[in-house]
Amino acid sequence: AQSVTQPDIHITVSEGASLELRCNYSYGATPYLFWYVQSPGQGLQLLLKYFSGDTLVQGIKGFEAEFKRSQSSFNLRKPSVHWSDAAEYFCAVGGGSGGYQKVTFGTGTKLQVIP
Amino acid sequence: DVKVTQSSRYLVKRTGEKVFLECVQDMDHENMFWYRQDPGLGLRLIYFSYDVKMKEKGDIPEGYSVSREKKERFSLILESASTNQTSMYLCASSSPRGTNQPQHFGDGTRLSIL
Repeated sequence: AQSVTQPDIHITVSEGASLELRCNYSYGATPYLFWYVQSPGQGLQLLLKYFSGDTLVQGIKGFEAEFKRSQSSFNLRKPSVHWSDAAEYFCAVGGGSGGYQKVTFGTGTKLQVIP
Repeated sequence: DVKVTQSSRYLVKRTGEKVFLECVQDMDHENMFWYRQDPGLGLRLIYFSYDVKMKEKGDIPEGYSVSREKKERFSLILESASTNQTSMYLCASSSPRGTNQPQHFGDGTRLSIL
């Protein structure tokens, strides 16, 4: 069965510092991978996705993620965090071929940004 | 921009009531989803649908049903609400049919069952 692990429940970084959020997945075939962000009181918004091709993916708001098949990881990075990045971040994995297969979400990492 | 609208942001109901949560999307998406979100558990899929009048069970369908009479509307029904169904409910949609393109989410309904 597919699964996603986000090992960090809560992370605190200083504004202007770099950020890396970890995501490890388990999936038997070629995965589709996603990062979503959820601001308080709102739904989830897509930051970026990996379907195939270049393993370094650029997203919105200055975020990027790198797919590493050998490590089953899809970590999210940002070089300089802004106070507005404080939110909860979800990694997700879904089927990459053969029609729809359900998407499995991680349990989320809550990011706090301190001035 | 895709708009997914959930009819209520906050809802308070009593145990045993039949509860309807409504979701409408305006981008002609074939696929629609209902999730519940609980702290420490992430998002769990309740039901999804990739066509009108079609539905598929997700991971936690017990105690819930759904209705999709029109393409743009996907309703979640709690047949007899219980306190353990107190949660945040998120609706999402995507296209094209039967694929894993990114989902677009509504702002959620925070449901309290007393």
